[in-house]
Amino acid sequence: NAGVTQTPKFQVLKTGQSMTLQCAQDMNHEYMSWYRQDPGMGLRLIHYSVGAGITDQGEVPNGYNVSRSTTEDFPLRLLSAAPSQTSVYFCASRLWGYSPLHFGNGTRLTVT
Amino acid sequence: GQQLNQSPQSMFIQEGEDVSMNCTSSSIFNTWLWYKQDPGEGPVLLIALYKAGELTSNGRLTAQFGITRKDSFLNISASIPSDVGIYFCAGSNNDMRFGAGTRLTVKP
Repeated sequence: NAGVTQTPKFQVLKTGQSMTLQCAQDMNHEYMSWYRQDPGMGLRLIHYSVGAGITDQGEVPNGYNVSRSTTEDFPLRLLSAAPSQTSVYFCASRLWGYSPLHFGNGTRLTVT
Repeated sequence: GQQLNQSPQSMFIQEGEDVSMNCTSSSIFNTWLWYKQDPGEGPVLLIALYKAGELTSNGRLTAQFGITRKDSFLNISASIPSDVGIYFCAGSNNDMRFGAGTRLTVKP
């Protein structure tokens, strides 16, 4: 099993550009989520999904969209990138309600 | 919101010393977890706690789920250089929230 796979590993965008961060898991996990990590602020939840077709907002959802058309994939979309979205983004998944999260290795995004 | 207050923010210790860090919240959580993050990687689970009052060990690591469900601590005994990294507490209900992290430096 590959676990949680995130692509790309690094990305540089100009303000106003759009892009999609990809996340895939092969563990048949129902729950998937996106976090952003900024220095001194830990991991903050952006969006999460408890199953295909179901998504919900986390702590910092503004500026991001998600969809969950399959169990395996949970892409994160930035429609119009802003410098405040410069961060490291982590995708994570888990099997059931209170089981631990498994994390990908992150995408480092810089918006200039 | 469900904010977690983790302390200390950073620690500089000598190899062989014990380490203690904790996490508190104004919200109740059904699960408390502790993760470690190495540079350039995602966080990796160290210990998961599922029951209030539970005390769990994993090698040199010991963690407890507070009786009030609003706090947890992690102890590391006899630290070694590879313990260096950022340690995060996390509380879970429908989703999972994280503390700001404790950055641990171990001097040989």
